[in-house]
Parts: sequence; C-alpha cells; structure tokens
Amino acid sequence: DARVTQTPRHKVTEMGQEVTMRCQPILGHNTVFWYRQTMMQGLELLAYFRNRAPLDDSGMPKDRFSAEMPDATLATLKIQPSEPRDSAVYFCASGLNSLEPNYGYTFGSGTRLTVV
Amino acid sequence: AQSVTQLDSQVPVFEEAPVELRCNYSSSVSVYLFWYVQYPNQGLQLLLKYLSGSTLVKGINGFEAEFNKSQTSFHLRKPSVHISDTAEYFCAVLGGYSTLTFGKGTMLLVSP
Repeated sequence: DARVTQTPRHKVTEMGQEVTMRCQPILGHNTVFWYRQTMMQGLELLAYFRNRAPLDDSGMPKDRFSAEMPDATLATLKIQPSEPRDSAVYFCASGLNSLEPNYGYTFGSGTRLTVV
Repeated sequence: AQSVTQLDSQVPVFEEAPVELRCNYSSSVSVYLFWYVQYPNQGLQLLLKYLSGSTLVKGINGFEAEFNKSQTSFHLRKPSVHISDTAEYFCAVLGGYSTLTFGKGTMLLVSP
C-alpha cells in the first residue's frame, strides 16, 4: 500500500533552534503539499510543489520557513529559528496532477512539533 | 477564491443513529469537493469526492455525500454510525493550482 512517509513523527525543540521535517512522497507523484494544522487555524496550506518546482509558498512565513524538494523522493520543510507559535502538526501530502480528474491527495501521518 | 464552512465543530450521536455533517462552499471555478477523515494521531484519509456527474457520491465506510449546487452544499451522511466512526471530518474544495482549501473540521463523537 503506497504511503507518504514523514519524519520525525514527533519533535520537541527549544525556541531558536532549527527544525527540519522530511517527507517522502509516493513514487510517481508529481505534486507535493505542506499543510500546518493547529486548533485555532485548522489546516493551512504552507507550500506547494509540482515537478519539484515551488508553485506557491504564500502561506509560509518567509523570514523563518523554507521548503525545498532536492529530488523527487524528498521534500523538506525547515524552520529557523523556531518559535513557540510554530507548535503544530505539519502534514505533507502528495498526488498526481493530470487532466484526468483523479484528485484526492494522500497525506502522511504528520510531524507533531512542539517548541518550548 | 475558494472557501469552506463547516457549520458544526462537534456532533455527538449515539451508536447506530444516522448522522449528517454539514458543509457549505464557495468557489469561483469548477467545483470539486472532498471529504476527509482524520483519526486520532493520524493523517487525513480520503472518504469521498465529487468531481462531476451524479450528485450523490458514495465513499468508504458507508458514508455518502450529496452535492447541491443551488444551496452550495456538500453534506456528508451515514445512515447508521459505529463507535469506530469517532473522528474529525474535513470538507475541502479544490482551488487554484489544484490546492485543497479545508474547512475547520467537525468532530464526530459516537457514544454507546
């Protein structure tokens, strides 16, 4: 059963530290999303890649967040420096964008980040 | 721009009772709608989707949803719920660049 793999599952870090979250999309998927989930805001889109190229990262605080896809099997989301308000669950999702409407992206299990 | 409103943050029901989770959307482009379920400490799993065709869409685990264009709604229903259906349910609409915009979620609490 194909799945999106996210690491780590949990991360506790001190304010000011760098945090890197990783995502392995499903092989063959050409679209990758990063979402953040909090109680207050719900699910927010942070960044979006297609064929490894960033298409939209307007939802991401640019001063501290960065998202990259160094290759087709790895997407990363970095926070530097981290702040307590960044505490959330970060989800990666992947899918195959095509003219055939087969949307329904597959989500990973998330990285639960706690910044103290 | 697209948006989704889930009118109920929490819906408590008894086991074997029917349930409806409400979702209203607004979209300026073609309407593609989804329901996802999130079990505790897990990611989101696709329940069902409306892309075109029949307005009644059947999904996994006995859930179905009806697309109503005039009322801009996409309510989720199940005729008889189980304890195992306790989870958070998210309605979503597909927007620009094929991104999903989610509602705030509805927590379905099924008790014996």
